[in-house]
Amino acid sequence: ETGVTQTPRHLVMGMTNKKSLKCEQHLGHNAMYWYKQSAKKPLELMFVYSLEERVENNSVPSRFSPECPNSSHLFLHLHTLQPEDSALYLCASSQETGWSYEQYFGPGTRLTVT
Amino acid sequence: EDKVVQSPLSLVVHEGDTVTLNCSYEVTNFRSLLWYKQEKKAPTFLFMLTSSGIEKKSGRLSSILDKKELFSILNITATQTGDSAVYLCAVVPLNDYKLSFGAGTTVTVRA
Repeated sequence: ETGVTQTPRHLVMGMTNKKSLKCEQHLGHNAMYWYKQSAKKPLELMFVYSLEERVENNSVPSRFSPECPNSSHLFLHLHTLQPEDSALYLCASSQETGWSYEQYFGPGTRLTVT
Repeated sequence: EDKVVQSPLSLVVHEGDTVTLNCSYEVTNFRSLLWYKQEKKAPTFLFMLTSSGIEKKSGRLSSILDKKELFSILNITATQTGDSAVYLCAVVPLNDYKLSFGAGTTVTVRA
């Protein structure tokens, strides 16, 4: 499999649930990103990992917890979410941070919080 | 704070029409501007623009950057229904990885 993959593609969860989103990149990249895309709003950068180390979290609420066990995998752990967290969550990767501007996106996870 | 504004927010055209999408920006230490096409899935990369006045072309799509007036346009000629998508503009600052995205322009092409 090539490119950036994300699972699950769709997720419905209650406000008291705990779930995780998974992202995997097969491009040999060193940086990975989580974005949130809400309806009719610009993409919002949530987290950035470079060589498995977090470099940016953009003041994201603590109910979102990222994990990057290696340069190919990225997780977003979710707990006690709010309905306004319903959105498309996109993962992306790039060769490097700083000088690499072409980010490759996964297909996204459509999250609905009930 | 970096700012990227796209216009129009949405438009509807018929097959064969030409569309022009606008992206204006206010960015500290500009490096490049990117255009993406997003259908019901991940954004796909279209163009990267770094220099003013040099048109990038790919089939029926073309784009140009004006670094003096701080904007870019994306043109689509002879539109097809497959061009229906959200077109996203993003800017990249120097020495940083944070893409700042505009809200996107939704293009609907009717047969």
